[in-house]
Amino acid sequence: NAGVMQNPRHLVRRRGQEARLRCSPMKGHSHVYWYRQLPEEGLKFMVYLQKENIIDESGMPKERFSAEFPKEGPSILRIQQVVRGDSAAYFCASSPEVRGSEQYFGPGTRLTVT
Amino acid sequence: LAKTTQPISMDSYEGQEVNITCSHNNIATNDYITWYQQFPSQGPRFIIQGYKTKVTNEVASLFIPADRKSSTLSLPRVSLSDTAVYYCLVDTGYSSASKIIFGSGTRLSIRP
Repeated sequence: NAGVMQNPRHLVRRRGQEARLRCSPMKGHSHVYWYRQLPEEGLKFMVYLQKENIIDESGMPKERFSAEFPKEGPSILRIQQVVRGDSAAYFCASSPEVRGSEQYFGPGTRLTVT
Repeated sequence: LAKTTQPISMDSYEGQEVNITCSHNNIATNDYITWYQQFPSQGPRFIIQGYKTKVTNEVASLFIPADRKSSTLSLPRVSLSDTAVYYCLVDTGYSSASKIIFGSGTRLSIRP
């Protein structure tokens, strides 16, 4: 059973461009979470999704950030008009059940904005 | 919202038992306590989860007192490969208004 897949592993964008980060949850998992981690800091929750639904986006910045988890395909975290402060590691996790169950994390996407 | 507090760092030696305590004074009735381990440039890895009293698996034990306002992760006989950051997580429920909060993490360094 493959683990959580994230791609790309590294992404370089210039200021003002768009960044798209993809996450394929573990097989059988219908809950996806996105986190952001700045260097030398802990993980910050961004958004929690189920198939075709955003359940909790209380950790998402109000502008430029959006997330989706379509019926088919991976979950996408989209950052429009990136700025240098968006440079961070973005981790995706999935779980088989409702919140509170064990989360399985992907290897992360390291976004660098130049 | 339940906020967690952990020591910023800890040092120990190979073969010792290490106990890391997390405070979560505002934990709610339905909250579970979960601990994760993270190595540099990797995603966190689940270690153990509990609700009350004691939970043990093949890598760690988790002790939770009756008031559940704190929890202690116990790593028996640590090795150099246990050097990592350890996060205490309290999941604050299932409603759409809830928020998942990771602690600040404890940077554990194991020496030979």
